[in-house]
Amino acid sequence: DAGVIQSPRHEVTEMGQEVTLRCKPISGHDYLFWYRQTMMRGLELLIYFNNNVPIDDSGMPEDRFSAKMPNASFSTLKIQPSEPRDSAVYFCATSSGASGANVLTFGAGSRLTVL
Amino acid sequence: SQQGEEDPQALSIQEGENATMNCSYKTSINNLQWYRQNSGRGLVHLILIRSNEREKHSGRLRVTLDTSKKSSSLLITASRAADTASYFCATDLGKAAGNKLTFGGGTRVLVKP
Repeated sequence: DAGVIQSPRHEVTEMGQEVTLRCKPISGHDYLFWYRQTMMRGLELLIYFNNNVPIDDSGMPEDRFSAKMPNASFSTLKIQPSEPRDSAVYFCATSSGASGANVLTFGAGSRLTVL
Repeated sequence: SQQGEEDPQALSIQEGENATMNCSYKTSINNLQWYRQNSGRGLVHLILIRSNEREKHSGRLRVTLDTSKKSSSLLITASRAADTASYFCATDLGKAAGNKLTFGGGTRVLVKP
């Protein structure tokens, strides 16, 4: 398995532009998590899905952020409009609930810079 | 506020020495996990210890858990330059809390050759 695949790896955009980050989970993993990492705030859980259904989006900072999981193979995190304070590394991580313990496999991350 | 807090925030040691880092948390857990993050990479799972376990080993890693003190420690023995990374603890509160992991702020470890 190729692991959790995220794209793009790096994105530089200007304030006000729409940003879409993508994640392909490991086949068979039924949980998908989006985290954001910054020096100031560390790793923050934004939202997570179970069987493609959003379970908890309480970590999504504002209405500018939205996430979807249209099927078991794909998820997106969208920021519209983007702001400089959204600059961070965004990680997608997945796990299998069947294992009985929530061990996460992380993607390589998408580094977002908003100018 | 974060569930897990690591201590120290940074650690610098010589190759061959042991590295110990601690994690404190606030509420009862189902399990506690440790992850490593190399610079510019995603986190990698190292070891999981359940709430009814007190100690666990994996290669050069030793993890302890004291639920009465709500704390855990990660020991890396005979450190190598390749162990240079940030180490994070993560708490899992179980199904009742939605099976989500909450990460601490991490300990940056530098192993000097």
